[in-house]
Amino acid sequence: AQTVTQSQPEMSVQEAETVTLSCTYDTSESDYYLFWYKQPPSRQMILVIRQEAYKQQNATENRFSVNFQKAAKSFSLKISDSQLGDAAMYFCAYRESRGGSEKLVFGKGTKLTVNP
Amino acid sequence: NAGVMQNPRHLVRRRGQEARLRCSPMKGHSHVYWYRQLPEEGLKFMVYLQKENIIDESGMPKERFSAEFPKEGPSILRIQQVVRGDSAAYFCASSQARAQGSYEQYFGPGTRLTVT
Repeated sequence: AQTVTQSQPEMSVQEAETVTLSCTYDTSESDYYLFWYKQPPSRQMILVIRQEAYKQQNATENRFSVNFQKAAKSFSLKISDSQLGDAAMYFCAYRESRGGSEKLVFGKGTKLTVNP
Repeated sequence: NAGVMQNPRHLVRRRGQEARLRCSPMKGHSHVYWYRQLPEEGLKFMVYLQKENIIDESGMPKERFSAEFPKEGPSILRIQQVVRGDSAAYFCASSQARAQGSYEQYFGPGTRLTVT
């Protein structure tokens, strides 16, 4: 079964600085999707960024970018120019890309604090 | 375009009562997923449904839990004879069919179930 591991329960960053959140996963599949979701105190799950495993280029969305290392099964999230509104729980998630289950497999999350 | 809607947002039930959680997917979405989030945990997949069909229920507890997505109306997650351990946030997500080229799941705001 696929598993997703986030080894940092909590992280903190100064406003305007850069922070990297780690995520590793385990799968025997060669084609899949990876996601980072943000969950602010409102508890709403918000998609931050996604990566298709067949794409070598790392995904980028404004201040958010990923470092996808397929061989190492690593998928870290970098937040640049951190803002107070970035404070939230961040969840890494995996999903198979073809047939079978459509389910997302989530890590346990990293709580990000942004200090003013 | 309204997002995924869930109601109620908060639900309090006494032990032994039934809980019914409703989810209306985004317009144009035919796939619904239910996830459960226990305190301090990531989301865990429960069930994946398409209209009138359960596609994957591998994450559903064998007893007391059931889900449906009728031809008309919202998807319902039903928990019979609730116990304290059922207290959690229950999230619904929806997506388009794969044939439509999209694979992203969009989440509702969740229903927080408290069993007293």
